[in-house]
Amino acid sequence: GENVEQHPSTLSVQEGDSAVIKCTYSDSASNYFPWYKQELGKRPQLIIDIRSNVGEKKDQRIAVTLNKTAKHFSLHITETQPEDSAVYFCAASMRAGGGADGLTFGKGTHLIIQP
Amino acid sequence: NAGVTQTPKFRILKIGQSMTLQCTQDMNHNYMYWYRQDPGMGLKLIYYSVGAGITDKGEVPNGYNVSRSTTEDFPLRLELAAPSQTSVYFCASSYLPWGSTGELFFGEGSRLTVL
Repeated sequence: GENVEQHPSTLSVQEGDSAVIKCTYSDSASNYFPWYKQELGKRPQLIIDIRSNVGEKKDQRIAVTLNKTAKHFSLHITETQPEDSAVYFCAASMRAGGGADGLTFGKGTHLIIQP
Repeated sequence: NAGVTQTPKFRILKIGQSMTLQCTQDMNHNYMYWYRQDPGMGLKLIYYSVGAGITDKGEVPNGYNVSRSTTEDFPLRLELAAPSQTSVYFCASSYLPWGSTGELFFGEGSRLTVL
C-alpha cells in the first residue's frame, strides 16, 4: 500500500517568515495530494490540494508543489501569521476523496509561529 | 447543514467493555470513513464505506466493526475494548464520483480512553 513520509515533525518560524513542509510518497499510482490543517482540539480541515496533472497550485499565502518524478510534494506558507500555528498533515490517494482505499496520511508537522 | 456529527465527544471505558461511536452526516455523501489519530502518528484508516450496505476494511480494522444501513449513518463498534484502542476517533465523509473536489469532511472527533 501507499506510504507517506512527512518532514519535519516540528517547525518553528518567526512571524512573517516562510514555512515549508515536505512529504514523499511511495506509490507512483497516487494522483491526489491534499493538505489538512488541524488546530489544537479541532477537526482536520482541507486547506489546499493538488492533482498529479498539475505541478503547482496557489491560494493566497499557501502554495503546494508536486514533483511526480521524485514522488514528493511540499506545502509553502508565506508571511506566516499566529493563526497559522497548527498541525499540518499531507496525504496521498489514488482517488480524489480517498475512494476505495481512503487517504494515506503523513504523521503531521507541528508548525509554531513565534511572535 | 450540520455536516458530520459524532457522539460521544469523550468516553472512558474499562478493558473488555463494548461501545459504539455514532456518526451521521447530512450532506448526502456516499463515502464515509473512520480514522483513528494517535499522538505523532497521523490518521490511520479503520473502515470505510462507499454506500449504504457496503463496508470494507482499512489499514487498522482489528478490534472494530462497522455497519452502513443508511446513507447518513456509519457507526463504529468496539466489542472488547483494549488499552491499545485509546485514541481520538474521527468520522469523515466525502462526495464522489470521480472528478469531484475530493475534500474529506471530518466530525469533531471522539476521545476514547480505555483503562
